[in-house]
Amino acid sequence: DSGVTQTPKHLITATGQRVTLRCSPRSGDLSVYWYQQSLDQGLQFLIQYYNGEERAKGNILERFSAQQFPDLHSELNLSSLELGDSALYFCASSVSIAAGANVLTFGAGSRLTVL
Amino acid sequence: GESVGLHLPTLSVQEGDNSIINCAYSNSASDYFIWYKQESGKGPQFIIDIRSNMDKRQGQRVTVLLNKTVKHLSLQIAATQPGDSAVYFCAENIRGGADGLTFGKGTHLIIQP
Repeated sequence: DSGVTQTPKHLITATGQRVTLRCSPRSGDLSVYWYQQSLDQGLQFLIQYYNGEERAKGNILERFSAQQFPDLHSELNLSSLELGDSALYFCASSVSIAAGANVLTFGAGSRLTVL
Repeated sequence: GESVGLHLPTLSVQEGDNSIINCAYSNSASDYFIWYKQESGKGPQFIIDIRSNMDKRQGQRVTVLLNKTVKHLSLQIAATQPGDSAVYFCAENIRGGADGLTFGKGTHLIIQP
């Protein structure tokens, strides 16, 4: 157990729907990162939050949004889902703002299947 | 294009042999590199890291080598075991960057009995 908790582990939904993925970071970690992993794109950075504020954006679609709450847990919202959104979504956490200063600890991921 | 990449998508080695997984990066501003291991059905797990002011770092059965001249990173695993079978990713962080790690596509290491 890495200490980073993600729910749900598996999710199957239909095109056009909206889902929310949840992440609880490791105790003491203030930064949360979201990554998308698909077979043809590998691990793609989506977005980062630090202590409730957005810090950096990667290849995140406008249909996707995220937030980090006062208790530091984070949610990734995916809307108007398309078949191509099927992927593993990972949350990672670290103590510091800059990824280079601390190791990212990853959760087990949420597998999203869009039918 | 992608800054970090791997030379081989699949590497097959005999149990007990040493394995070397390679990674190339193109951003000279990268100052921190990490190797992650991902087993089937699990999230990436930290193996070892190295800063750009070093050229070698050793862990338990693993060694990371960094050659900044040719922008090359390698992970050496000694005396491979069945449990080493996984996908290995190299990742880089750009100096001063807060935009998350950039990952390569991964190498699938297969341990033959």
